[in-house]
Amino acid sequence: EVHLLESGGGLAQPGGSLRLSCATSGFTFMRYAMSWVRQPPGKGLEWVSAISSGGDTTYYADSVKGRFTISRDSSNHTLYLEMKNLRAEDTALYYCAKEDEWLAEYFFDSWGQGTLVTVSS
Amino acid sequence: SSELTQDPAVSVALGQTVRITCQGDALRSYYASWYQQKPGKAPVLLTYVKNNRPSGIPARFSGSSSGNTASLTITGAQAEDEADYYCNSRDNRGNRVFGGGTKLTVL
Repeated sequence: EVHLLESGGGLAQPGGSLRLSCATSGFTFMRYAMSWVRQPPGKGLEWVSAISSGGDTTYYADSVKGRFTISRDSSNHTLYLEMKNLRAEDTALYYCAKEDEWLAEYFFDSWGQGTLVTVSS
Repeated sequence: SSELTQDPAVSVALGQTVRITCQGDALRSYYASWYQQKPGKAPVLLTYVKNNRPSGIPARFSGSSSGNTASLTITGAQAEDEADYYCNSRDNRGNRVFGGGTKLTVL
């Protein structure tokens, strides 16, 4: 059974930094692309960033490009999101999601329970 | 444009059929996947690529696509289907994109 467990959320000041982690188990981590998806309180889902299975290709939403960095460590099956220069609008529940692929189309087949990031002074 | 547009709210009578739609230029090139989210819970994958369902997803959920519109149809809606529904696809840069979500009320 796939398990995704996010950690690292908390309170940060505007302009500050946080590093999120997503510990994974139950699947061959190095074979799958992974994503971060966030959800501001009371609002909809927003895709944040994705990383290829090998870690050599990354993608970012325009709203976080240049401030967030996604990475992965296959030795410990963990996904990361380094967040810098945080803004109030980054306040959200951050989900880690495993991607699967079918006919060159990608979708999110497993999700963690999320870690809450609050950006406030 | 990489935006996906969904109706904010839809309602359906118990046992009836409802279609939730998602529109966007990206859907002319890529398939949508659909997710259900209940309050306080993580999203759950319902359908992907045409009309594939993960194991455990009831057959009353089906996906379809035509032109720039993807649809999620619930045939015989149940009380437990009351939830938020999101479509997702990608753009030509490889970026993933979600629709704004549709809140489904089962009357």
